Amino acid sequence: ETGVTQSPTHLIKTRGQQVTLRCSSQSGHNTVSWYQQALGQGPQFIFQYYREEENGRGNFPPRFSGLQFPNYSSELNVNALELDDSALYLCASSLASGGITDTQYFGPGTRLTVL
Amino acid sequence: AQSVTQPDIHITVSEGASLELRCNYSYGATPYLFWYVQSPGQGLQLLLKYFSGDTLVQGIKGFEAEFKRSQSSFNLRKPSVHWSDAAEYFCAVGMDTGRRALTFGSGTRLQVQP
Repeated sequence: ETGVTQSPTHLIKTRGQQVTLRCSSQSGHNTVSWYQQALGQGPQFIFQYYREEENGRGNFPPRFSGLQFPNYSSELNVNALELDDSALYLCASSLASGGITDTQYFGPGTRLTVL
Repeated sequence: AQSVTQPDIHITVSEGASLELRCNYSYGATPYLFWYVQSPGQGLQLLLKYFSGDTLVQGIKGFEAEFKRSQSSFNLRKPSVHWSDAAEYFCAVGMDTGRRALTFGSGTRLQVQP
């Protein structure tokens, strides 16, 4: 059974650019959540997808958007990058209903640096 | 709104010593509580979780946590720390209504001295 994988590992962008981060869920998982972890802070919830539909969103602007595909892999897209978007982006997958009692399994993250 | 406070930013213990990491939460209803560990270059690994029932929860790697409703706390403990336990520890609270999100504390960095 493979775990949650994310790509790329590291990424450097400049302000105003757009970025796409990718996540492959653990086998059989139908729910994916994305979190942003700024340096020295805990992860902050961006949004969650369940069976390809957005199932909840945190306090992030619309330039943060996502997709979940039929094979339950996922993308996080960020438009008009700002310096404060520099962070570790974590993807977490879980099984079944998408309720909070489902254990979320995290990937290793993508480190995004915005210059 | 729910929130999590981890009062200790950094803790240093000697190998073999006992450990307690503090976590306080704010949430109106019965919380779902979690402890995760993050090693450098690694994702978050779930140590243990509390949903209901017995307030003393056993986890992996010899960790346990105790839910105390009267103190709004969910402290993580380990009787004897190993050098490999050095990492960042995060407490999180979740709710099963509306946004299906985990709210994390700011973390406690554990350093283990030989």
